[in-house]
Amino acid sequence: GESVGLHLPTLSVQEGDNSIINCAYSNSASDYFIWYKQESGKGPQFIIDIRSNMDKRQGQRVTVLLNKTVKHLSLQIAATQPGDSAVYFCAEYTSGTYKYIFGTGTRLKVLA
Amino acid sequence: EAEVAQSPRYKITEKSQAVAFWCDPISGHATLYWYRQILGQGPELLVQFQDESVVDDSQLPKDRFSAERLKGVDSTLKIQPAELGDSAMYLCASSKRDGTDTQYFGPGTRLTVL
Repeated sequence: GESVGLHLPTLSVQEGDNSIINCAYSNSASDYFIWYKQESGKGPQFIIDIRSNMDKRQGQRVTVLLNKTVKHLSLQIAATQPGDSAVYFCAEYTSGTYKYIFGTGTRLKVLA
Repeated sequence: EAEVAQSPRYKITEKSQAVAFWCDPISGHATLYWYRQILGQGPELLVQFQDESVVDDSQLPKDRFSAERLKGVDSTLKIQPAELGDSAMYLCASSKRDGTDTQYFGPGTRLTVL
């Protein structure tokens, strides 16, 4: 399959460690934020989302943190597994304008 | 499990030719999105439909790109004429109601313009 994210920033973590992927978003009016995982040759896959009235949301092995003051979003993956290796994108949505913007992405490499 | 379908998966064309991509969203999903993803970058939203109406096409190069969703179900994205810089992955996604619902992406169409 094709490679996604040939020149993206890369985060390398040991299997079993926790991963933290960061994202700066652009629009202070954005009210919905999403993290996606994209494997080579596939479309992005939803991981977790958070609305602007929250600052933390947890899923299975993943946590998203939102800091509206500095327009920062982070994705924490607990006990990282080889299957987590992929490119991760954050996205922001502004309800009033229908604007949906993806960030530049981070490649996560899990080392055995 | 319902999926977003796209065809073709791969398309090679020469510059100045016309190309068309097709997307069939998950049944019952009102909102449909077309994205362009250049290698090494995040997807860029080209056009968003709510049922058969366009709600955002601000990033669609309208001199050469067109999109339609005539019956509010499947959709076609067309490029005429194709240019070398159009080489990219074209992704379709759908969500149940609007942009605050989970988007489900199709596998994409990889376009190469020679």
